[in-house]
Amino acid sequence: AQSVTQLGSHVSVSEGALVLLRCNYSSSVPPYLFWYVQYPNQGLQLLLKYTSAATLVKGINGFEAEFKKSETSFHLTKPSAHMSDAAEYFCAVYTGTASKLTFGTGTRLQVTL
Amino acid sequence: GAVVSQHPSRVICKSGTSVKIECRSLDFQATTMFWYRQFPKQSLMLMATSNEGSKATYEQGVEKDKFLINHASLTLSTLTVTSAHPEDSSFYICSARARTAINYGYTFGSGTRLTVV
Repeated sequence: AQSVTQLGSHVSVSEGALVLLRCNYSSSVPPYLFWYVQYPNQGLQLLLKYTSAATLVKGINGFEAEFKKSETSFHLTKPSAHMSDAAEYFCAVYTGTASKLTFGTGTRLQVTL
Repeated sequence: GAVVSQHPSRVICKSGTSVKIECRSLDFQATTMFWYRQFPKQSLMLMATSNEGSKATYEQGVEKDKFLINHASLTLSTLTVTSAHPEDSSFYICSARARTAINYGYTFGSGTRLTVV
């Protein structure tokens, strides 16, 4: 079975501050991992993905994530938050065994002045 | 990049009527499409997986007779909510996966807000 846990349903940061959104996964086989962003009343946009190549993955909008097998983590970071980063962020895991994406419960990022 | 178009973006219907939602892959062939339901401030719940030309595979607890899925071509899948009730009101999102599968990720539609009155 595969699962994803996102710690913190709501994260608030000041504009210009570091963004850190946490994601831990559980999988009995090597996983593929994804981060998606969702703006209100819209679908999901892929930020970045880990597919067993480089463990440090760079995505769009200045986001990056590091796959750490020893910690079963795939945390999302951005050095400097922007107001436009305010959205819902979902971590997801995929394995060939399950052949489907399993999403975490999401983290709402709030960016304040 | 890969684009998935979902239509309509918003629909209001009366109880007892049926509503069809379309999901189209615009620039790639989607061998597999997925339908999700999202409740307010919650994650996405996979409803069913459809492969072109075959019957959809429904997740446990999803009524196949209520949520009819058709994937007649490599670029189009439809979800029909039959005999809709207010409890079916939700945000429905489709996603598509190309033949080359996971390395290219899943592409999501922009979602459909269904309100049943």
